[in-house]
Amino acid sequence: KAGVTQTPRYLIKTRGQQVTLSCSPISGHRSVSWYQQTPGQGLQFLFEYFSETQRNKGNFPGRFSGRQFSNSRSEMNVSTLELGDSALYLCASSLFSGAGTEAFFGQGTRLTVV
Amino acid sequence: QQQVKQSPQSLIVQKGGISIINCAYENTAFDYFPWYQQFPGKGPALLIAIRPDVSEKKEGRFTISFNKSAKQFSLHIMDSQPGDSATYFCAASITAAGNKLTFGGGTRVLVKP
Repeated sequence: KAGVTQTPRYLIKTRGQQVTLSCSPISGHRSVSWYQQTPGQGLQFLFEYFSETQRNKGNFPGRFSGRQFSNSRSEMNVSTLELGDSALYLCASSLFSGAGTEAFFGQGTRLTVV
Repeated sequence: QQQVKQSPQSLIVQKGGISIINCAYENTAFDYFPWYQQFPGKGPALLIAIRPDVSEKKEGRFTISFNKSAKQFSLHIMDSQPGDSATYFCAASITAAGNKLTFGGGTRVLVKP
């Protein structure tokens, strides 16, 4: 069974640019959550999508957005990149939303903003 | 507001010893408490999880202890092995509100041979 696939694995962007990250969840999983991981702030929740609808949103500015497609694949977009957006972005896939269903994480996309 | 506080930030333990990591939470609506293990270059992986109606859960060498009244829970790694060297995160969520996980700050564990 294939795991969670995140692409690309590494990305270097310039301040002010925008970026799109992709996440393919485990087959059959309908919930995709995104997290930002930095040494200073740790793991912070960005948002969750379930059946193409945003179910939860973390405390991030509107520059961070996401969407989910009918095949459950998800993308997140960051516009007007800032140096502080440099982080590991992790996607987590779950069968359902809620009820303590296990979250399976991908290896992440390492974004560097210069 | 940091809703889940984790300690210590790092710990070194000898092979065969016990690693103990503690977490405290503030939001009494949390009802699902998983622990994740993360190796460098990898995403976190679920280790073990507990719900507040249970005071202890054991899976192999890993045990979670849960104290609802104190709003604290801890992970014990028995007979620690060098392969256990990783960063461990506690987390909490409100299961009725979806899959949003609130993570602790992480504990870097080094097991010396």
